[in-house]
Amino acid sequence: EAQVTQNPRYLITVTGKKLTVTCSQNMNHEYMSWYRQDPGLGLRQIYYSMNVEVTDKGDVPEGYKVSRKEKRNFPLILESPSPNQTSLYFCASSSPTLGGVYEQYFGPGTRLTVT
Amino acid sequence: GDSVTQMEGPVTLSEEAFLTINCTYTATGYPSLFWYVQYPGEGLQLLLKATKADDKGSNKGFEATYRKETTSFHLEKGSVQVSDSAVYFCALGHMDTGRRALTFGSGTRLQVQP
Repeated sequence: EAQVTQNPRYLITVTGKKLTVTCSQNMNHEYMSWYRQDPGLGLRQIYYSMNVEVTDKGDVPEGYKVSRKEKRNFPLILESPSPNQTSLYFCASSSPTLGGVYEQYFGPGTRLTVT
Repeated sequence: GDSVTQMEGPVTLSEEAFLTINCTYTATGYPSLFWYVQYPGEGLQLLLKATKADDKGSNKGFEATYRKETTSFHLEKGSVQVSDSAVYFCALGHMDTGRRALTFGSGTRLQVQP
């Protein structure tokens, strides 16, 4: 089954304790991305990756890091989490562009609470 | 910059009622437009898309037409079911950029009562 998986699904942590949220896709997609979802704001892109070892900032990258060492994995790293990073996080991967159209596939989400 | 505005929810309807969720956008160039649906506890799923003006996207009884003159992409369904209860997101994306970021509206929660 084609899917994007994220772990953990739920995480409660304390300010300053480094954490990693993993993301993996089994569709051989080159493109992967992280979004955060906050009430009233929709989803905003944090970072994206167009291929292995190629990453770039999205709209809200402050306080986050990513890496792309393998095509299937795209972990999101919070080196010193703060309460304003409490949010619902989604990983997404994208099919190749076909005639200028692509579809993004989303993972189930990770709900992070930083106290 | 790009932006998407959706009608605020929740929208509460009875089963078999007609649904419209309004979506308008501001963007440079010629974006593609999408509707995503999020069921409780799940990630977002693409519901339908349209890539150019006057295109109509459709899926599972839902429809939306890309109206460039009114910069709108309203979602409609003729007869909703309880199983349609979810949060619906309108989004736009520029296909000609590598970033492929989607700009989302804030979402509209639909509640369908039996």
